[in-house]
Amino acid sequence: DVKVTQSSRYLVKRTGEKVFLECVQDMDHENMFWYRQDPGLGLRLIYFSYDVKMKEKGDIPEGYSVSREKKERFSLILESASTNQTSMYLCASSSPDGANTGELFFGEGSRLTVL
Amino acid sequence: AQSVTQLGSHVSVSEGALVLLRCNYSSSVPPYLFWYVQYPNQGLQLLLKYTSAATLVKGINGFEAEFKKSETSFHLTKPSAHMSDAAEYFCAVNPWSSASKIIFGSGTRLSIRP
Repeated sequence: DVKVTQSSRYLVKRTGEKVFLECVQDMDHENMFWYRQDPGLGLRLIYFSYDVKMKEKGDIPEGYSVSREKKERFSLILESASTNQTSMYLCASSSPDGANTGELFFGEGSRLTVL
Repeated sequence: AQSVTQLGSHVSVSEGALVLLRCNYSSSVPPYLFWYVQYPNQGLQLLLKYTSAATLVKGINGFEAEFKKSETSFHLTKPSAHMSDAAEYFCAVNPWSSASKIIFGSGTRLSIRP
């Protein structure tokens, strides 16, 4: 069964801390994504990557950075967490064909609370 | 600008009743359309997708959706609701054939009454 695994399901951090959210996929997908999910706002794209060491900004990249050193792993970094980054973060991946149509495979999500 | 509108943030139906979740989109080009489902404390999973083949699309768990270009709609239906259908449902459109350009609706939470 194909899988996207997010390392932390629940995190609680303090304002100003550096936060790493890790995502690993076992489908050999080229494309990986980080979304933020907030009630009433749906999913908003933070960053995506279409290849190792390649990244593109999404709709809401401010306050975030990403790293993709290996094909299977895509990390989201909050350099200095703030309370308005309290949210559910979803990682997704897709094949090139899936990328053309938009079919994504999602992880279970990481719920981050910043105090 | 491209957009997706889901009518009703919360829909409640009785077990065995028809489920109808509404989705309208705006797109200047023929889009790819999707419905994703999110069960409690889980990520999203694809329920069904329209990719310019048949306008009536069948998905998993007895759900189906019909693409109506004239109405710019892609409503999700299921003839008979089951308790296990309780979840949040997201409509999404991909107007530019690029996964990085997918636009998600704000979601509809479906509750099932016994």
